[in-house]
Amino acid sequence: DAMVIQNPRYQVTQFGKPVTLSCSQTLNHNVMYWYQQKSSQAPKLLFHYYDKDFNNEADTPDNFQSRRPNTSFCFLDIRSPGLGDAAMYLCATSRRRDNNPYEQYFGPGTRLTVT
Amino acid sequence: QKEVEQDPGPLSVPEGAIVSLNCTYSNSAFQYFMWYRQYSRKGPELLMYTYSSGNKEDGRFTAQVDKSSKYISLFIRDSQPSDSATYLCAMTSSYNTDKLIFGTGTRLQVFP
Repeated sequence: DAMVIQNPRYQVTQFGKPVTLSCSQTLNHNVMYWYQQKSSQAPKLLFHYYDKDFNNEADTPDNFQSRRPNTSFCFLDIRSPGLGDAAMYLCATSRRRDNNPYEQYFGPGTRLTVT
Repeated sequence: QKEVEQDPGPLSVPEGAIVSLNCTYSNSAFQYFMWYRQYSRKGPELLMYTYSSGNKEDGRFTAQVDKSSKYISLFIRDSQPSDSATYLCAMTSSYNTDKLIFGTGTRLQVFP
C-alpha cells in the first residue's frame, strides 16, 4: 500500500544532542511537510518542500532544519533540542496540481522526548 | 484571536448518538475545508473535504460549511465506539493552498 512512513516512531534524545527524524513516502507526491504537534494543540507547520523548493514558516526556530535529497525522502534535523521541543513530529505529503488544494496524507508521527 | 477556533471537548456520547463537531474561523479568504480524524498516538487521516459553502455526505458523516457565518460542522450519525478520536478541522485559502490552518481538535468519546 502506498503510504507515508516515519522512523523512528519514538525517539529519546538528550538536551542539546542533535537528532534527525526521517520520513519516506511511496505516493510519489511532490509536496512534503513537517509539522510539530504538542499535546492538545493543533499541528503547527514548520516547513514544507514543493519538489526541491524549500518553504520555511516565519516562526520556525533556526534550531530546526530540513533536507529533501529526493522525491521520496525528507528529514527533520533538530540541532540542539531543548525541553520545549518535546512533541509529536508529523510528516505529511500531498500532490499539488494547478492551484487547487489537495489532500494531505500524514504519517504516524515520531514522538520525541528530550531528557 | 486565533484564525480557527474549535472547542477542545472532551465530548462524551452514548453509542448511536448523533454527534455535532464545529469550528469557527475569522479569515473570509478560506475556501477549502477539511476534517481530519486522529486516533491517539497516530497521524491525522482525512475524513471529509469540501469547497466553499454547502453540504457533503459520506456514509455516516456529513460536512457542512456556512461561509456567511464562518462556521463549519461535521455530523456523525449512529456514532460508534470506533469513532472515539480527536477530530481536527482544517482550512485554506485559494492563494496559499500549501498551508492548512488547523483547529486544536475536539476529543470525542463514544461509550457503548
